[in-house]
Order: sequence, then C-alpha cells, then structure tokens
Amino acid sequence: GAGVSQSPSNKVTEKGKDVELRCDPISGHTALYWYRQSLGQGLEFLIYFQGNSAPDKSGLPSDRFSAERTGESVSTLTIQRTQQEDSAVYLCASSLSRTGSDTQYFGPGTRLTVL
Amino acid sequence: AQSVTQPDIHITVSEGASLELRCNYSYGATPYLFWYVQSPGQGLQLLLKYFSGDTLVQGIKGFEAEFKRSQSSFNLRKPSVHWSDAAEYFCAVGFNAGNNRKLIWGLGTSLAVNP
Repeated sequence: GAGVSQSPSNKVTEKGKDVELRCDPISGHTALYWYRQSLGQGLEFLIYFQGNSAPDKSGLPSDRFSAERTGESVSTLTIQRTQQEDSAVYLCASSLSRTGSDTQYFGPGTRLTVL
Repeated sequence: AQSVTQPDIHITVSEGASLELRCNYSYGATPYLFWYVQSPGQGLQLLLKYFSGDTLVQGIKGFEAEFKRSQSSFNLRKPSVHWSDAAEYFCAVGFNAGNNRKLIWGLGTSLAVNP
C-alpha cells in the first residue's frame, strides 16, 4: 500500500463497551507507533512496536488499553470498558527502522466517540 | 522531563507575508526535531526534520527551520505564505537513546491565511 491505513475511520460506541482499532503500516516498516490526539491535550504517545515486541508501553493510560502486532504487519489497539474520556482521534504511524531520527508516517486516524 | 512548547496557539497572516512559528523544547541532550502539518481532514505530514549537521533545514512546500541549541529552539519559517498553508502545525521532539522512540509533541499552532 501507499501509506499507513487505519480502520475504522470513525467509531461510535457506548460507555463500557470494548473497541478494537486497526492499523496497517507501510510495507517493510519495522517500527509502529500509536498516538492519541485529544482536544486540548495535543498528541500523546501510547505505545511503540519494533517488530512484534513493544519496548515502550509507557504511554498507555490504563490497563484498559492494550495493543498487539502481528510480525511486522498489522497492529490492533484494544480499549476495554470504554469511558467518555477515551473519546479522541487515535493515530498510528510507522517508520522504516528503529532509529529515533526516522520519519514517522501517519495514518488518517480513527475518531472514537464514546457516548 | 522532556517537553515541547509552541507559544502561539493561533496565528493569522496575509497571503504573501512571511511566517515564523515558534517551537522551544526541553531535553538534556541534542534531540531529533520535527515539524509536521495537519490540514483539515488530512493526516499528519512531515515538513522537515533535524537530527544532525547543518542547523538550517529545508523542507517541503518552501518551509525551512533553524535549530538553535543556545535557545533550545527550532522555529519554522516561510518567506511568502500561500492560502493553502492554512493548517495546524506541530513541532515534535524525538530521542536518540535506548528504546525511546516516541515523539513528544507541542500543542500545535493554528495558522489562518487572509486573502
């Protein structure tokens, strides 16, 4: 594919439900990142994958949040028992390798609304 | 703690005027520095980045930025703004140590361009 893709583009859910957000990185990119963009909060780092391992999970806000990645491919961010404060745009990015100077390429995001 | 400050929340300029968006960071070593742009309904796109070498960096769409270590700044400039430059601009800091690959983001500067 040409770029990072995310699905769904929009998700409306009820408080207490679980949601899964999907990210397809650029082919060949070994590093994958999840960020959250909230009004007034800017962009917040959630988790970083190198291959299918996650060396840095420091940004996950609570144990309701988890993520996994299959090989160097698709990643899924799962939010259990959603709360209204989870409403945000969830962005995924990928980069070619593991260096901090690598450009991170972003997907269009998933807008999550928790009612 | 590492942080990024974009002092201007909103800037309005006239088309054809020059532009400077400010970015200051707090980090103990030389960081990797990025400017991204987010247009309405669009994903984040990299404008330019600095990681070593020449402190004046050229980017896409006629933008440039200058890294000033003494001022902990990485201001974005454009000599003549076009109406299509209206967007949200984000400065971000990346790291060059260990497994730390996340980007720390400023809150963004919203640019409006008057015809």
